[in-house]
Amino acid sequence: AQTVTQSQPEMSVQEAETVTLSCTYDTSESDYYLFWYKQPPSRQMILVIRQEAYKQQNATENRFSVNFQKAAKSFSLKISDSQLGDAAMYFCAYRRHMQGGSEKLVFGKGTKLTVNP
Amino acid sequence: DSGVTQTPKHLITATGQRVTLRCSPRSGDLSVYWYQQSLDQGLQFLIQYYNGEERAKGNILERFSAQQFPDLHSELNLSSLELGDSALYFCASSPRQYVGELFFGEGSRLTVL
Repeated sequence: AQTVTQSQPEMSVQEAETVTLSCTYDTSESDYYLFWYKQPPSRQMILVIRQEAYKQQNATENRFSVNFQKAAKSFSLKISDSQLGDAAMYFCAYRRHMQGGSEKLVFGKGTKLTVNP
Repeated sequence: DSGVTQTPKHLITATGQRVTLRCSPRSGDLSVYWYQQSLDQGLQFLIQYYNGEERAKGNILERFSAQQFPDLHSELNLSSLELGDSALYFCASSPRQYVGELFFGEGSRLTVL
């Protein structure tokens, strides 16, 4: 089965500190995309960062970066200089091929991040 | 603002009833996805449409159906509602059939009493 596992249901971090959220996935595909989405209390899903599996270089977006370990099927998200606005649920997602040539995103259960002032 | 519009934002109804959730994708996006988010099941893929045609089905119940219209907006119909159907229903769109990323709406919160 192709699944996404987020082993940390909840995490907390002090404002201005760094936190890392873990994600592992299971796939038999060689070409795929991985994503981190953020869901704040407003509930809208917002893309944080994405990584193409064929790229060896880890993706970065300002204070957000990933540690992509393809052989280990690990895709962790590092948030540097944490801000109060980073408090949200964070979902790791994997782009999975489906029959008929289409694709969908498969999501992990999420990690609730609390940022303490 | 993702550009994806969902209505209604909140809906409260009774068991056995039928509701329709509406989604307008981002301008130019041809592909629409529906996801259900519940506390115990997380985000579950329901169904995908591309340019008016159904492309893929996920964990969608037979009581649920969807369609995408010529103007590319989509509707998700939920009938014979049960308490367990209470959830947040997301619509997401992408420019084409193959997903680089999805752009999500704010969701429709359905409460079945």
